[in-house]
Amino acid sequence: SAVISQKPSRDICQRGTSLTIQCQVDSQVTMMFWYRQQPGQSLTLIATANQGSEATYESGFVIDKFPISRPNLTFSTLTVSNMSPEDSSIYLCSVRTGVYEQYFGPGTRLTVT
Amino acid sequence: TQLLEQSPQFLSIQEGENLTVYCNSSSVFSSLQWYRQEPGEGPVLLVTVVTGGEVKKLKRLTFQFGDARKDSSLHITAAQPGDTGLYLCAGDSSNYGGSQGNLIFGKGTKLSVKP
Repeated sequence: SAVISQKPSRDICQRGTSLTIQCQVDSQVTMMFWYRQQPGQSLTLIATANQGSEATYESGFVIDKFPISRPNLTFSTLTVSNMSPEDSSIYLCSVRTGVYEQYFGPGTRLTVT
Repeated sequence: TQLLEQSPQFLSIQEGENLTVYCNSSSVFSSLQWYRQEPGEGPVLLVTVVTGGEVKKLKRLTFQFGDARKDSSLHITAAQPGDTGLYLCAGDSSNYGGSQGNLIFGKGTKLSVKP
């Protein structure tokens, strides 16, 4: 298993600003991901955070809007840029530790006003 | 498009009752995970099933993966208020050209167990 922490746990931000979310894992992991869970919805993969190279984004998500850093095997950041109310969601960091097992952080609850 | 359909969407029962939650798809998955999520928290992994027909037990929870690896069920025996939460199934789509780690999630079953 893996212990994942995220900062901040929640934030209220104004339209047009940016927020950077941090994800820290208690062990080195190769595969780290960022998901979004919109209100009342299920989880959607935003991107895979690759260590030492650019993140791989899923359809519908772009680097300019969601820049990601992965400086080492235990840490990643996701920035939500130029926010609008539609970005209000829970953002979740996730890691895969084995062939199949995937674990999630506690999430960052973002509200954009 | 791969979809995972969960049913029922909502379930409210009394303590001590049994229940079953279903997760169905027209696609085959290499593995399927079940998670429980409580308000304000991230999903917590309960179990991973990999082999068709596999049955796994976690105390009062029994998980089954369909023979064709397209469906799964979660059965809770003698439910307790502590079982309350959102139950999510998620299938691994990487063997279909999806990104590794791109779990396809169902919409979840919101379970409420009343004392």
